[in-house]
Amino acid sequence: AQTVTQSQPEMSVQEAETVTLSCTYDTSESDYYLFWYKQPPSRQMILVIRQEAYKQQNATENRFSVNFQKAAKSFSLKISDSQLGDAAMYFCAYRSARRGGSEKLVFGKGTKLTVNP
Amino acid sequence: DAGITQSPRHKVTETGTPVTLRCHQTENHRYMYWYRQDPGHGLRLIHYSYGVKDTDKGEVSDGYSVSRSKTEDFLLTLESATSSQTSVYFCAISEVNGARGYTFGSGTRLTVV
Repeated sequence: AQTVTQSQPEMSVQEAETVTLSCTYDTSESDYYLFWYKQPPSRQMILVIRQEAYKQQNATENRFSVNFQKAAKSFSLKISDSQLGDAAMYFCAYRSARRGGSEKLVFGKGTKLTVNP
Repeated sequence: DAGITQSPRHKVTETGTPVTLRCHQTENHRYMYWYRQDPGHGLRLIHYSYGVKDTDKGEVSDGYSVSRSKTEDFLLTLESATSSQTSVYFCAISEVNGARGYTFGSGTRLTVV
């Protein structure tokens, strides 16, 4: 079974600075998807960024980018120019690309990000 | 938002009572899921459905049952609520194409006293 590990339960960053959240995963599959979700105090789960394992290029969405290292099974999230609104729980998640499966998302335990003014 | 609603948003219930949470979607997605979120555990899968009347267990299914009689509705039932089931419950939907991830409902905060 796949597992996702977020080794940093909490992180903090100064406003306008850059922060990197870590995520590693374990799988024997070669084709899969990886995601970062953000959960602000409102509790809503918001998709931040996604990466397809067969793509070598790292995904980027505005101030959010990932460092995807397939061989190392690492998928870190970098937030540039941090803003107060970035304060939230961040979850890393894995999903197999194998068709005919349950399409389940496997989540890490989350990293709570605090942004200091 | 994306056509998925959960009800109720908050609920307080007594130990031993049955509780049903509802998830409704208007996206006609095939897959539906129930997760629970607890501090220090992230989100853990309770049950999921891959079609009408097709359901399966997740990693924390004990004490829970589900039903899906229509594409748009996925019900989660706590047969006899216990304090350990106090949690935030999320419903999610997904297309067959896994690349797009899930769309989540707003969650239900359930307190069992």
